[in-house]
Amino acid sequence: DTEVTQTPKHLVMGMTNKKSLKCEQHMGHRAMYWYKQKAKKPPELMFVYSYEKLSINESVPSRFSPECPNSSLLNLHLHALQPEDSALYLCASSQEVKSNIQYFGAGTRLSVL
Amino acid sequence: DQQVKQNSPSLSVQEGRISILNCDYTNSMFDYFLWYKKYPAEGPTFLISISSIKDKNEDGRFTVFLNKSAKHLSLHIVPSQPGDSAVYFCAASISNFGNEKLTFGTGTRLTIIP
Repeated sequence: DTEVTQTPKHLVMGMTNKKSLKCEQHMGHRAMYWYKQKAKKPPELMFVYSYEKLSINESVPSRFSPECPNSSLLNLHLHALQPEDSALYLCASSQEVKSNIQYFGAGTRLSVL
Repeated sequence: DQQVKQNSPSLSVQEGRISILNCDYTNSMFDYFLWYKKYPAEGPTFLISISSIKDKNEDGRFTVFLNKSAKHLSLHIVPSQPGDSAVYFCAASISNFGNEKLTFGTGTRLTIIP
């Protein structure tokens, strides 16, 4: 089983809203990732968690706030987003940070109005 | 600065023939390469990978070739099947950095014609 589950699949929010994206995996992976993908562009890394600790923040604006409550769960809290933040947000996991292969969820398509 | 490039945005191949998808990279520190396949409304699915110590890796119908001197890799699918129609991304990483950073190409949309 290589399943990474992301909820919700679609999200529409206003610029003053607060919302959260959720990612779950039950493969025992200890590294989890958030990527952002704009239309016709490749996925771009946002955050990496290793053993529930933030190990990489790719200079992401503070209106995006990641959280890793346990080894199976990864959240991305959104607040005061801008329309240009509309994108597909992908979660991935790997056995460890040093593992080569990352497994991706289906993503959350976010629209900011 | 796009360090991983897939210069063909799209490719159409007849069913049963060979599909060849290409990828070029500029960063000589990349030493691990992956191919992902993406269907609409799904996340990228890992397909096959290759370490820079090899020049070829094969898994069933899929073979990846790596030419380090040319900084070029290719994915061969033979025979191509209708279910192979998808967007294919190549990705690269640097082992020294723990592999956590995957740098993706822009993708090639492959269409298999029945």
